[in-house]
Amino acid sequence: AQKVTQAQTEISVVEKEDVTLDCVYETRDTTYYLFWYKQPPSGELVFLIRRNSFDEQNEISGRYSWNFQKSTSSFNFTITASQVVDSAVYFCALSENSGYSTLTFGKGTMLLVSP
Amino acid sequence: DAGITQSPRHKVTETGTPVTLRCHQTENHRYMYWYRQDPGHGLRLIHYSYGVKDTDKGEVSDGYSVSRSKTEDFLLTLESATSSQTSVYFCATNRDSNQPQHFGDGTRLSIL
Repeated sequence: AQKVTQAQTEISVVEKEDVTLDCVYETRDTTYYLFWYKQPPSGELVFLIRRNSFDEQNEISGRYSWNFQKSTSSFNFTITASQVVDSAVYFCALSENSGYSTLTFGKGTMLLVSP
Repeated sequence: DAGITQSPRHKVTETGTPVTLRCHQTENHRYMYWYRQDPGHGLRLIHYSYGVKDTDKGEVSDGYSVSRSKTEDFLLTLESATSSQTSVYFCATNRDSNQPQHFGDGTRLSIL
């Protein structure tokens, strides 16, 4: 069965600090997809990134970057120079490429960025 | 976004009453999902649909049923609500099963 672990329940940083959110996954499939979602205090869920298991290139989007390492089954998310607007709950999720693929979410990491 | 509307947005009801939540999408997406979000549990899949009248159970389906008679609507029913079903419910859709899911704004359901 697939599983996603986000060991950090809460992280507090001061604005402009860099912060890394950890995500470790378990799957028996060789083809799978990893996702990150953001849930700001307003409550909606916002898609950030999708990565397939065959693409281990790191990705950067502005202040956001993602490090995918199959060897350690990790898909970590780094925010550089954090801002107050980054305060949110961040979810990592996994879907396997079998049948009707459904998402399994981690329990989320709450990030609080203080001014 | 996928134009997903959930209704109602908030509901308070009593134990034992039936409750139906509606998810409506305007993007003609094939796949639709219902999740519940609870503190300490993240999002957990209740039921999903892979086409009209095609549905299947998720991780936490006990006490819930769903129906999808049209592409655009996916209904979640609590036949006899219990206090343990107090939660925030999210609907999501995607065109293909491994594409990103896009979420509605959620329904906050309180069962007293």
